[in-house]
Amino acid sequence: EVTLEESGGGWVQPGGSLRLSCKVSGFTFSNHEMRWVRQAPGKGLEWISYISQRGDTIYYANSVKGRFTISRDNAKNSLYLQMKSLSVEDTAMYYCARVGFVEEMDFWGQGTLVTVAS
Amino acid sequence: QSALTQPASVSGSPGQSITISCTGSSNDIGGYNLVSWYQQFPGKAPKLIIAEVNERPSGISNRFSGSKSGNTASLTISGLQADDEADYYCCSYADGDTVIFGGGTKVIVL
Repeated sequence: EVTLEESGGGWVQPGGSLRLSCKVSGFTFSNHEMRWVRQAPGKGLEWISYISQRGDTIYYANSVKGRFTISRDNAKNSLYLQMKSLSVEDTAMYYCARVGFVEEMDFWGQGTLVTVAS
Repeated sequence: QSALTQPASVSGSPGQSITISCTGSSNDIGGYNLVSWYQQFPGKAPKLIIAEVNERPSGISNRFSGSKSGNTASLTISGLQADDEADYYCCSYADGDTVIFGGGTKVIVL
């Protein structure tokens, strides 16, 4: 069974930092590209970052470029998102998602909530 | 990039068919056959229901079907059921190796 489990969310003050993790199981992690997607409360889905199988190709949405860093450790079956200079606009549920063979996101974690507030 | 355009809500009675549109541009929907659709219940993670415009993953009901014409993709739910009431999001691969989502459509079963 394919599973993805995010962790690391919580409350942080504006300007602060957090590191999210996504632990996966049930598939060969190193064979798959991965994405982070977020959803602000009551809002729609927003793609924020992509990483290739070996981590040598990375993309970010303009909204997080320069502040967030995606990475992965294939030996640990884990995906990460380092977030810094957080603002209230970054408050959201953060999901990791596996990328399938035709750019679809075929499996998702349950999400981890990040709240940025003073 | 701006989000793909979806209607805020679509409603139908049980047994009817409804269609959700998703409009983009030649830089996303129109340029690639890489449209996917996701179903999301309140408090839950999104779930893939359509990939590559019209391909259903294993286990997804054949009541869900997708199509595309030009810069607009569509999701049709036939034989509408009460448990289809959820939010639905389209997503397309786009120029610059990005993906872009629609704003989401709430399906209401009357």
